[in-house]
Amino acid sequence: QSALTQPASVSGSPGQSITISCAGASSDVGDYDYVSWYKHHPGKAPKVIIYDVSHRPSGVSNRFSGSKSGTTASLTISGLQADDEADYYCSSYSSSSTLWVFGGGTKLTVL
Amino acid sequence: QVQLQESGPGLVKPSQILSLTCSVSGGSISSGGYHWGWIRQHPGKGLEWIGYIYSSGNTYYNPSLKSRLSISLDTSMNQFSLKLSSVTAADTAVYYCARRTIATYYFDSWGQGTLVTVSS
Repeated sequence: QSALTQPASVSGSPGQSITISCAGASSDVGDYDYVSWYKHHPGKAPKVIIYDVSHRPSGVSNRFSGSKSGTTASLTISGLQADDEADYYCSSYSSSSTLWVFGGGTKLTVL
Repeated sequence: QVQLQESGPGLVKPSQILSLTCSVSGGSISSGGYHWGWIRQHPGKGLEWIGYIYSSGNTYYNPSLKSRLSISLDTSMNQFSLKLSSVTAADTAVYYCARRTIATYYFDSWGQGTLVTVSS
């Protein structure tokens, strides 16, 4: 069981928007603005698309946005494109001795 | 741009030592400013942080693995390694090496991952 809880799957049509939630605890998501999101095509290297809750690394499309409320973070992808189809993982720094916690991943299907 | 590549046996017998190496290109692991680490993904499951090492040699391990884990640097080869002892089937996973820049709170570079199966 992953420390952070994500929906197993989400889907949307091209052009639509989707949101993936990431539920944590007061020791991680609730205590730090250090939530990051990774896009992962199986067999390839994961890529960070959001860090510090809502910041995008250089080169990442502004169609990706992040937010947080309490102990739940969210990733929103607007204007869905076929290439957005991938697995998405959230992560947070934690005050526990584990230091870093991850979600179970969400498979995004673009219909 | 830094690139990371994992290598090592794809099959390890139970009770033996799992050894993996991460080769780094496009940057020096001895230059400081980064944590060099490992993250794994059990089949069909989420990601799990294993641990990382700083260029000084300071290590930070997941407490659930600490008693079996060793991460080390080989600056001459620009590589870092993971050794996990007394493995069981529960250690079967895709293992990723990754880099974290000091004072940031995310992993900015990852390898493609390598599947390690623990089986007799």
